[in-house]
Amino acid sequence: GAGVSQSPSNKVTEKGKDVELRCDPISGHTALYWYRQSLGQGLEFLIYFQGNSAPDKSGLPSDRFSAERTGGSVSTLTIQRTQQEDSAVYLCASRKRGVVSSGNTIYFGEGSWLTVV
Amino acid sequence: AQTVTQSQPEMSVQEAETVTLSCTYDTSESDYYLFWYKQPPSRQMILVIRQEAYKQQNATENRFSVNFQKAAKSFSLKISDSQLGDAAMYFCAFGTGGSEKLVFGKGTKLTVNP
Repeated sequence: GAGVSQSPSNKVTEKGKDVELRCDPISGHTALYWYRQSLGQGLEFLIYFQGNSAPDKSGLPSDRFSAERTGGSVSTLTIQRTQQEDSAVYLCASRKRGVVSSGNTIYFGEGSWLTVV
Repeated sequence: AQTVTQSQPEMSVQEAETVTLSCTYDTSESDYYLFWYKQPPSRQMILVIRQEAYKQQNATENRFSVNFQKAAKSFSLKISDSQLGDAAMYFCAFGTGGSEKLVFGKGTKLTVNP
């Protein structure tokens, strides 16, 4: 597609429920990122995919968080047994390839706003 | 670990005036890159400007320019001739050359007054 697409745009869920957030990166982009943005905070790195592999998942805050990517394209971030502190905007981004020094720009989606009540 | 600090939670500027947003960072790396991103209410992060640490010349993009002070580890963003559409959250970000991820500051909310 033309840009990074995320769904749902907004999600309200009850504490203890599982949620899935979807990211559809720009076609041809091999690198995919998930970031979390809590209220009043900057972006917190969660996980990075190169193709279907996740070389860096160091930012996942607990084992309730997991992510996968299939076909080198769509990625799903799953949060199990949601807690109120999981409430945040979850941003997905993609890049054509390479590391920061490659010069390729990271493109962000509009995020999924998760509220846990 | 690298850190990025934006000391101004909020700033305001009159339309057509100039405003400077501050950013400092901490790193022991020599190969790194600095970025300013804009986040309007739509939530989509948009790259405003990028600076390579090895370049002495400050980056410019139309009305946007940076003041990169490597020794002081400072990277400020200057917006000239501010427009109403510049109102947004602005985030400073840092990435090392061999890394895939960026580290972000907490952001500065910019208001542009007509």
